[in-house]
Amino acid sequence: GENVEQHPSTLSVQEGDSAVIKCTYSDSASNYFPWYKQELGKRPQLIIDIRSNVGEKKDQRIAVTLNKTAKHFSLHITETQPEDSAVYFCAASVGGGNKLTFGTGTQLKVEL
Amino acid sequence: NAGVTQTPKFQVLKTGQSMTLQCAQDMNHNSMYWYRQDPGMGLRLIYYSASEGTTDKGEVPNGYNVSRLNKREFSLRLESAAPSQTSVYFCASSEAHYEQYFGPGTRLTVT
Repeated sequence: GENVEQHPSTLSVQEGDSAVIKCTYSDSASNYFPWYKQELGKRPQLIIDIRSNVGEKKDQRIAVTLNKTAKHFSLHITETQPEDSAVYFCAASVGGGNKLTFGTGTQLKVEL
Repeated sequence: NAGVTQTPKFQVLKTGQSMTLQCAQDMNHNSMYWYRQDPGMGLRLIYYSASEGTTDKGEVPNGYNVSRLNKREFSLRLESAAPSQTSVYFCASSEAHYEQYFGPGTRLTVT
């Protein structure tokens, strides 16, 4: 089955700096790669996603890049703010289906 | 629209007791999912339903059963709870190949 590895498990940055979280996946048939943000005690919420026919996608301060050959994708957050502090999860579709396999999460802390 | 709703929000069970976690969505999605979330382990899929009347095992199905009652509702049953099932349980729904929307979660403790 699909295996998704996520690094780092914790990340601390200064406000205004950039943050990068990286994930690798094993299933070459995966074609959908979402990123979720989860604040403490809340539900995961989608912040950005990318499909396998696109190499990069950007939404304001958030961008995701995908390298299908190397089977890795990354989340980039620029100009970080304290409200970006949360746990971020990457995920990859299981083959071309609807099921997702999630990474183990990255605790991002943005310090003033 | 309420989105995805779950009941109860919190539950404490004794080992061996049974319970059913309820989930409902009002977005007319075909697919529904049950996950458990444990510290340091991300979200792991327990069971999945691609459409009304179908269910499929996920990564960690042992000790659980599910029922897709209709298009809106997908329940998760623990027949004989064990301390290893202490976790936060999330239900989610989606349309095919699109974003999964999560419910608020159920925090379950088994003593």
